[in-house]
Amino acid sequence: EAGVAQSPRYKIIEKRQSVAFWCNPISGHATLYWYQQILGQGPKLLIQFQNNGVVDDSQLPKDRFSAERLKGVDSTLKIQPAKLEDSAVYLCASRKGDRVTDTQYFGPGTRLTVL
Amino acid sequence: EDQVTQSPEALRLQEGESSSLNCSYTVSGLRGLFWYRQDPGKGPEFLFTLYSAGEEKEKERLKATLTKKESFLHITAPKPEDSATYLCAVQAGSNTGKLIFGQGTTLQVKP
Repeated sequence: EAGVAQSPRYKIIEKRQSVAFWCNPISGHATLYWYQQILGQGPKLLIQFQNNGVVDDSQLPKDRFSAERLKGVDSTLKIQPAKLEDSAVYLCASRKGDRVTDTQYFGPGTRLTVL
Repeated sequence: EDQVTQSPEALRLQEGESSSLNCSYTVSGLRGLFWYRQDPGKGPEFLFTLYSAGEEKEKERLKATLTKKESFLHITAPKPEDSATYLCAVQAGSNTGKLIFGQGTTLQVKP
């Protein structure tokens, strides 16, 4: 079974530029998460989708971050404009089952550097 | 506020030297506690889920235990390939499945 796919793996941009990340979850997984992991810290949830709908975006900086999940499969996370403090690894995870305690499987992440 | 604290931040062991990693948590209504392993440049890899105090799970040289306030990840006779960052996460009483992570413990096992 293929895992969670993310691209690009690395991105370097100047502050105030825009950037987008793509995630393809494991086939059949209805729930998709985007996490931000700053160096030396654990991942922090940005947004959670259940199929097409947003379940939790309480920690998403909505003035600059946006995310969508098309047709309940792939998802994109966008930052516009980027700030220096957005430098982090952006992880996508997906979950198959209906139980909230079912395992979340993570992709390899996209490492963003904002100069 | 739900919180997870891991200790130590870093741990160096000789090959074969057993030890334990700690994960202390405060959460409203624990639904599950998760252990992940993260290698440099990779995403977290699932290890265990623990649901209630007294529960234990094992996988090769790793054993996870859970009490009402903390969890331990015991590593028996570690090998260099066990070197990684170990992340602990809790799921609180909400029904969204949101994971709250600790900052991780970076383990280095020297041959």
